[in-house]
Amino acid sequence: LAKTTQPISMDSYEGQEVNITCSHNNIATNDYITWYQQFPSQGPRFIIQGYKTKVTNEVASLFIPADRKSSTLSLPRVSLSDTAVYYCLVGVINDYKLSFGAGTTVTVRA
Amino acid sequence: GAGVSQSPRYKVAKRGQDVALRCDPISGHVSLFWYQQALGQGPEFLTYFQNEAQLDKSGLPSDRFFAERPEGSVSTLKIQRTQQEDSAVYLCASSSADNYGYTFGSGTRLTVV
Repeated sequence: LAKTTQPISMDSYEGQEVNITCSHNNIATNDYITWYQQFPSQGPRFIIQGYKTKVTNEVASLFIPADRKSSTLSLPRVSLSDTAVYYCLVGVINDYKLSFGAGTTVTVRA
Repeated sequence: GAGVSQSPRYKVAKRGQDVALRCDPISGHVSLFWYQQALGQGPEFLTYFQNEAQLDKSGLPSDRFFAERPEGSVSTLKIQRTQQEDSAVYLCASSSADNYGYTFGSGTRLTVV
């Protein structure tokens, strides 16, 4: 599995956009980029997945440049309830063994 | 059920005690996974079942850890002679046969004293 690097923590305020960048220099041709969200005392929850360019859903957007060596998760207009740990994962799309890393702790303040 | 259910939610064990953690996956989900999450860290893979077959147990930390899924539904993770380093949250997840779309449970927090 390709190794990922992401910031340990980020602070934001309600209503702002939060962008978390993940580096994955050794990403393989068959690898997809997946982001999970984990609230305290809960298991991780799938947010978004992409292979290249841009993916958007009701929760977030994922931007992937042409070289795919990094990706950026964008959370629009965050609220206090978006405070969580966000994990960037890289691997084949149906790989059963997920490699999470330490994630990015996002704290949203009023 | 609607989600992955794990019990108990919290477990305190004295060092040397055996514990059993239960996971009820989403009905019909073929694949089941166990992960261990230490404080401040991301989840780490322990083991993987497809139906009742344990296809990968490479993440189990020692032979004190044992997992089973005898009828291809409910799974139990057993830890024998618990030690303080076993303190962690144990997460169970399930997915359909193609392994798309993991659903995690809320975990069991094990504290060994």
